[in-house]
Amino acid sequence: KNQVEQSPQSLIILEGKNCTLQCNYTVSPFSNLRWYKQDTGRGPVSLTIMTFSENTKSNGRYTATLDADTKQSSLHITASQLSDSASYICVVSEQAAGNKLTFGGGTRVLVKP
Amino acid sequence: DADVTQTPRNRITKTGKRIMLECSQTKGHDRMYWYRQDPGLGLRLIYYSFDVKDINKGEISDGYSVSRQAQAKFSLSLESAIPNQTALYFCATSEASGSAGGELFFGEGSRLTVL
Repeated sequence: KNQVEQSPQSLIILEGKNCTLQCNYTVSPFSNLRWYKQDTGRGPVSLTIMTFSENTKSNGRYTATLDADTKQSSLHITASQLSDSASYICVVSEQAAGNKLTFGGGTRVLVKP
Repeated sequence: DADVTQTPRNRITKTGKRIMLECSQTKGHDRMYWYRQDPGLGLRLIYYSFDVKDINKGEISDGYSVSRQAQAKFSLSLESAIPNQTALYFCATSEASGSAGGELFFGEGSRLTVL
C-alpha cells in the first residue's frame, strides 16, 4: 500500500528561526511530490511541485528538496514568521492510475514570537 | 471572490438525515474532487470527476454519492448521515494535465458534524 509519512507531527519554533520538515514515501511508480500549506480552518494551498528530475525547488522562504532514490523529501522554512504557523502537507502523485494522490498526515508548525 | 466556493461552511445534523454539500468553481477546470479530512490523517479521496459525464469512486466512497451538474458544479451527498461521517470536507479542482499531474486548488472546506 502506498504511504506518505511526515515527521515530526508538530513542532514549535521561535520567530526568525529555521526549521525542516520531513516526508518519506513508498508511492510507486512516482510522478511528482507536492508540498501544501494549510492554515487553520482553510483549504490547503500549493507551495511546490517537484518531478523526478528536480532535486530542489524554492518558493520564497520555503525550499523543498527531493531524493527520489531514497524516497525522501524535506521542506525547509527560513527565517520563520508568525504567518508560517500552519499545517504542512506532503502529497505524492502516482504515475498513471489517474495520477492518484497519497496525502501525508501533515506537520503542524507553531511559530512563537 | 474565492475561485472554489463550498456551501455550507458549517453544518450540524442528526443521524439519518440527508445532507448535500455543494461546490462551485470559476477556474474553468475540468477536474473536480471531494476529499475528507480527519484529525491526524491525510486527506482521503471520496469521489472525483474529470468531466461533466464522468464520475469515479475514490478510496472511501461508501455512504456518499456525487453529482456533476455542470463543469463548474460538483455536489456531494450523504443519503443517511452517520456520526463517523463527522469531518472536514474539501472540494478541489485541477486542470487536465499529463504525467506531471495538475495542481490542486482547494475550497475553504465544509465542516460537518453528525450527532
